[in-house]
Amino acid sequence: SQQGEEDPQALSIQEGENATMNCSYKTSINNLQWYRQNSGRGLVHLILIRSNEREKHSGRLRVTLDTSKKSSSLLITASRAADTASYFCATDGSNYQLIWGAGTKLIIKP
Amino acid sequence: DVKVTQSSRYLVKRTGEKVFLECVQDMDHENMFWYRQDPGLGLRLIYFSYDVKMKEKGDIPEGYSVSREKKERFSLILESASTNQTSMYLCASRVPTTEAFFGQGTRLTVV
Repeated sequence: SQQGEEDPQALSIQEGENATMNCSYKTSINNLQWYRQNSGRGLVHLILIRSNEREKHSGRLRVTLDTSKKSSSLLITASRAADTASYFCATDGSNYQLIWGAGTKLIIKP
Repeated sequence: DVKVTQSSRYLVKRTGEKVFLECVQDMDHENMFWYRQDPGLGLRLIYFSYDVKMKEKGDIPEGYSVSREKKERFSLILESASTNQTSMYLCASRVPTTEAFFGQGTRLTVV
């Protein structure tokens, strides 16, 4: 099921700039996860934030979660060419499934 | 290093053929999933399995079936391949409420 909406659909920035992507969802969640997908490959997990957490960091990644607004954001600081990829959010609810957003395509220009 | 392995990266099949996509995980995960991914449509769940011999339909099960005879293996079957099943197929596994691990994907072309 697709319940997440990601914003923007596409983002093109210069290397070294920060990139911010947003995810909105509709139902209650246990956690929210962010994944990266390089062109034509499988998805790779980046970070998981639980419903009782508001912010989480992992290296150059910063994720925030606002359960009152049912939204999350992913910030990538000091972007690099290797960050060029599609980024997906997924919410983990009360059943076995992850519910996926449509993704943001990020292009880092050298 | 944890691993989900899909049997093929690229596959070309003829219309009407029965197609098997295999997925194996080495993490002893209970849950396994099959998705298809098409441009502009994101990831759509075809089937998932929460235990051996257990399966549940996802959002787009029509034209597909699955088999999970052993915990580590989850197979997706296209009973009679059609051109509208040309897509990227992704297998994933996980323990509930944790991260999912994905295979490298199988790009299937039906001609």
